[in-house]
Amino acid sequence: GAGVSQSPRYKVAKRGQDVALRCDPISGHVSLFWYQQALGQGPEFLTYFQNEAQLDKSGLPSDRFFAERPEGSVSTLKIQRTQQEDSAVYLCASSLAGEYSGANVLTFGAGSRLTVL
Amino acid sequence: GNSVTQMEGPVTLSEEAFLTINCTYTATGYPSLFWYVQYPGEGLQLLLKATKADDKGSNKGFEATYRKETTSFHLEKGSVQVSDSAVYFCALKIDYQLIWGAGTKLIIKP
Repeated sequence: GAGVSQSPRYKVAKRGQDVALRCDPISGHVSLFWYQQALGQGPEFLTYFQNEAQLDKSGLPSDRFFAERPEGSVSTLKIQRTQQEDSAVYLCASSLAGEYSGANVLTFGAGSRLTVL
Repeated sequence: GNSVTQMEGPVTLSEEAFLTINCTYTATGYPSLFWYVQYPGEGLQLLLKATKADDKGSNKGFEATYRKETTSFHLEKGSVQVSDSAVYFCALKIDYQLIWGAGTKLIIKP
């Protein structure tokens, strides 16, 4: 597609529920990132994929967070047993090339806003 | 470690005023520097970038110069418009990692 698409845009979950957030990157983009953005803060890195390989998951806050990109295109971020502190906007971004080039630019989706009650 | 500090908002200006949003960074190695903008209800968009010292990034009347000696990348615009109202994020990139500032909300009044 023309841009990075994320769904759902808004999700309200009860504490303890599992949620799944989807990201459709730009077709052909190799790199895909997930970020977490708390209210009034900048994005915080969660995880990075190059094609289907998850090269870095060091930013995932706990083992309740899991991300996959099985065919190297669409990615899903899953949060199990949601807690109130998981409330945030989850951003997905993709780029055409591998990410070791300083000039490589990310295209962001509009984000999925998760509210855990 | 690597970090980005930008001036706290909100910054409120009148239309046609001069804008400066300060950004300083701490980094090991030689980062690339970016300014992203987030309009209400939209995703982050790249505004401008610079990949090495003394480079100047520019776009839509905005400019920022990569100053290694002062570890700064301040965003400037000579005459702001109401449509520039948004949140502006400064970021540095080392390898594949983007490190972000907390964002500065800009409000332009007509």
